[in-house]
Amino acid sequence: AQTVTQSQPEMSVQEAETVTLSCTYDTSESNYYLFWYKQPPSRQMILVIRQEAYKQQNATENRFSVNFQKAAKSFSLKISDSQLGDTAMYFCAFMKHWTGTASKLTFGTGTRLQVTL
Amino acid sequence: NAGVMQNPRHLVRRRGQEARLRCSPMKGHSHVYWYRQLPEEGLKFMVYLQKENIIDESGMPKERFSAEFPKEGPSILRIQQVVRGDSAAYFCASSPWSDSNQPQHFGDGTRLSIL
Repeated sequence: AQTVTQSQPEMSVQEAETVTLSCTYDTSESNYYLFWYKQPPSRQMILVIRQEAYKQQNATENRFSVNFQKAAKSFSLKISDSQLGDTAMYFCAFMKHWTGTASKLTFGTGTRLQVTL
Repeated sequence: NAGVMQNPRHLVRRRGQEARLRCSPMKGHSHVYWYRQLPEEGLKFMVYLQKENIIDESGMPKERFSAEFPKEGPSILRIQQVVRGDSAAYFCASSPWSDSNQPQHFGDGTRLSIL
């Protein structure tokens, strides 16, 4: 079974600054995907970024980037130039590579990020 | 191009009643997943369905909960004889058959409140 751990229940960052959210995971799989989802106060689940484990290059999406360390089973999210709209819960999630059977997401407990003026 | 549609957005039930939550996947998606989010917690997997088949229900409580995804119509998550502990947000997600390694797209959730 897979586990995902987010050790920071809450984080705060000032507008325009950079913040890094931590995530570690445990799995015996060699082929898998990692995700960061954002849940704003509206409670929607919004995909922020995705990383494929077989790719060494870290994924980036505009102001969002990850630091993927496969050997350490670490997958942190860096948000640059933080904006007020980034205020949300952030969930790290794991998914096994699909081989014709179920690929459910396993989520961490989340980090609540507050962006302040 | 509608996303994943869940209804109702909010559902209030009294203890002992039945709750039915509906989910229409994105167009072209044939995989549906249900997750539950208890207050102040992360999402927990409940069940994974394809059309007319339950593929993985390892996260589903053994009693009172059931799910279906008929050939026609939305997927239904049914909770019988609801109790206070069933109060949560229930999210549905979908992914396409052709490439289930694509990220799952989530609906806006149904907030279930039990009085």
